[in-house]
Amino acid sequence: ETGVTQSPTHLIKTRGQQVTLRCSSQSGHNTVSWYQQALGQGPQFIFQYYREEENGRGNFPPRFSGLQFPNYSSELNVNALELDDSALYLCASSLSRGGGNEQFFGPGTRLTVL
Amino acid sequence: AQSVAQPEDQVNVAEGNPLTVKCTYSVSGNPYLFWYVQYPNRGLQFLLKYITGDNLVKGSYGFEAEFNKSQTSFHLKKPSALVSDSALYFCAVRDEDNDMRFGAGTRLTVKP
Repeated sequence: ETGVTQSPTHLIKTRGQQVTLRCSSQSGHNTVSWYQQALGQGPQFIFQYYREEENGRGNFPPRFSGLQFPNYSSELNVNALELDDSALYLCASSLSRGGGNEQFFGPGTRLTVL
Repeated sequence: AQSVAQPEDQVNVAEGNPLTVKCTYSVSGNPYLFWYVQYPNRGLQFLLKYITGDNLVKGSYGFEAEFNKSQTSFHLKKPSALVSDSALYFCAVRDEDNDMRFGAGTRLTVKP
């Protein structure tokens, strides 16, 4: 098991609502990335935070936003939920933002939008 | 932009036989290549990576991968498969902009 934790484990929301997912990174890691994994697909990169600043973003609309805190934990916020937002959301931390640093993943939050 | 392809949705092997899970990639600069494994209801677990240097990379649980620049491939291999290796395997590529792209995954089934 990695030292990356995520909460909550499961979440059910209705269309149009807002949701906040949380992630605690592994000790000593200053970089956090978020991914969306739809059923039967590989993870899709949402964005990355390095030392509290956004350090890269995938092809997701602005209603997906994030934060990283001084202790390097992170939040993913999704506004105006749509049915297609139903997925497993994965958080990953790494030692730094360099391309060669492997990422350590949390167990994920399963979001269901009804 | 970088991309990665895993041409096989499913790979079936018998326990004790060698296994190969295929991956090809496309990236503009020097690639950083990774393999991850996902067990049911779990997050992804790091297996190995290629950054530079020796083309044969050894990782966790007896897995290894061979980087082939001319064929733009990074196939995952293991000399002798175990039933416990059955899982979903993802190849990923990263460029220097730090945007990591994952393949669609290959489901490996090892039968006793």
